[in-house]
Amino acid sequence: GAVVSQHPSWVICKSGTSVKIECRSLDFQATTMFWYRQFPKQSLMLMATSNEGSKATYEQGVEKDKFLINHASLTLSTLTVTSAHPEDSSFYICSARVGGANTEAFFGQGTRLTVV
Amino acid sequence: AQTVTQSQPEMSVQEAETVTLSCTYDTSESDYYLFWYKQPPSRQMILVIRQEAYKQQNATENRFSVNFQKAAKSFSLKISDSQLGDAAMYFCAYRSAGGATNKLIFGTGTLLAVQP
Repeated sequence: GAVVSQHPSWVICKSGTSVKIECRSLDFQATTMFWYRQFPKQSLMLMATSNEGSKATYEQGVEKDKFLINHASLTLSTLTVTSAHPEDSSFYICSARVGGANTEAFFGQGTRLTVV
Repeated sequence: AQTVTQSQPEMSVQEAETVTLSCTYDTSESDYYLFWYKQPPSRQMILVIRQEAYKQQNATENRFSVNFQKAAKSFSLKISDSQLGDAAMYFCAYRSAGGATNKLIFGTGTLLAVQP
């Protein structure tokens, strides 16, 4: 089946530093990847949609300069949280779509970010 | 805009019994997909079942089945012969069938506990 791998699974960083999270489709090419944020005991909130070779589309209220998304290849998208602050601490999840708009999306295992 | 509502924050079921999780949605579209995702304590999102709106027949996957009522915009999940491994957060999700992006819209989730 389609496998999406996220790295790291968890990360602790100091306030003011930047941290990069990788999302890889291991056995398929993903033209579209999605980045979500999930607070404890809450639902997934879509942050942005990432298309290979083009700029990401951010959801309303998401700071594009703070959450930098790069989708440089068909198997890799990265989310960089810049100048992280404690309020950025959260669980970040990516998903990758196997093919066109109506195909299935598979999820990575998520990354727990803690900013101290 | 489409919305997904899960009115049961928590549910509990005895092992081997049957439980039904509720989901309602709002949309003006006629063609779309509905999903149930499971998120166990590992936080990995797992697709449980998928329903195409144009299909009248309710989807089933082993012990999991849905009751899709298009006119009522209702999409409930029935878990039969509940097992301890079914304990998880369950999210109902909606996705448009048209458009270039087709992002998932999640409900707030239902935390299911399975009692031995």
